[in-house]
Amino acid sequence: LAKTTQPISMDSYEGQEVNITCSHNNIATNDYITWYQQFPSQGPRFIIQGYKTKVTNEVASLFIPADRKSSTLSLPRVSLSDTAVYYCLDPISSGSARQLTFGSGTQLTVLP
Amino acid sequence: DTGVSQDPRHKITKRGQNVTFRCDPISEHNRLYWYRQTLGQGPEFLTYFQNEAQLEKSRLLSDRFSAERPKGSFSTLEIQRTEQGDSAMYLCASSPSPGGLGYGYTFGSGTRLTVV
Repeated sequence: LAKTTQPISMDSYEGQEVNITCSHNNIATNDYITWYQQFPSQGPRFIIQGYKTKVTNEVASLFIPADRKSSTLSLPRVSLSDTAVYYCLDPISSGSARQLTFGSGTQLTVLP
Repeated sequence: DTGVSQDPRHKITKRGQNVTFRCDPISEHNRLYWYRQTLGQGPEFLTYFQNEAQLEKSRLLSDRFSAERPKGSFSTLEIQRTEQGDSAMYLCASSPSPGGLGYGYTFGSGTRLTVV
């Protein structure tokens, strides 16, 4: 049974901010929230990870509310090259990081 | 290039044939993983090595599948008596130990297998 739920697809236009929300209702105290990105014909690539509140790096921001049952990946000012599938992984326990569990992901299409 | 390398990138085989894929991880990573990805789905975990020891295997890894990592360096994934349902992208990943909670993983570009 999937532990995360996210939209199947989203469309956006160049220059817009894109927010993709994931629900992970069964998150445990020791779990971290992790997002990956995958371009066609490539393997997934780590984007961002967080535990609570807000995390920002050069690629994206991750917003996590206090109850941690959801998270929002925010991509500022997307470009055509941001077209990809974005995965919110099953929350990762600090005690076990050997296996990553992906869902079906969100296909983001950026239009000109 | 210091990333994860997979060979071949594409493989077309007839049903019933055996195929073998190779993965060269990042040299300083002692953990290596194999995943399988079918069209429209996210990658699914197959197996995991810590150095040369195979420590975890998914129930997806049937008896026709075998993976090795001799000397704890490169790894091979062999599929015997291929079936059409084996058609998928086979991804290899590596990470340092400890595993880094998902952020230390580096995936290769995969081997696309088509069974006809």
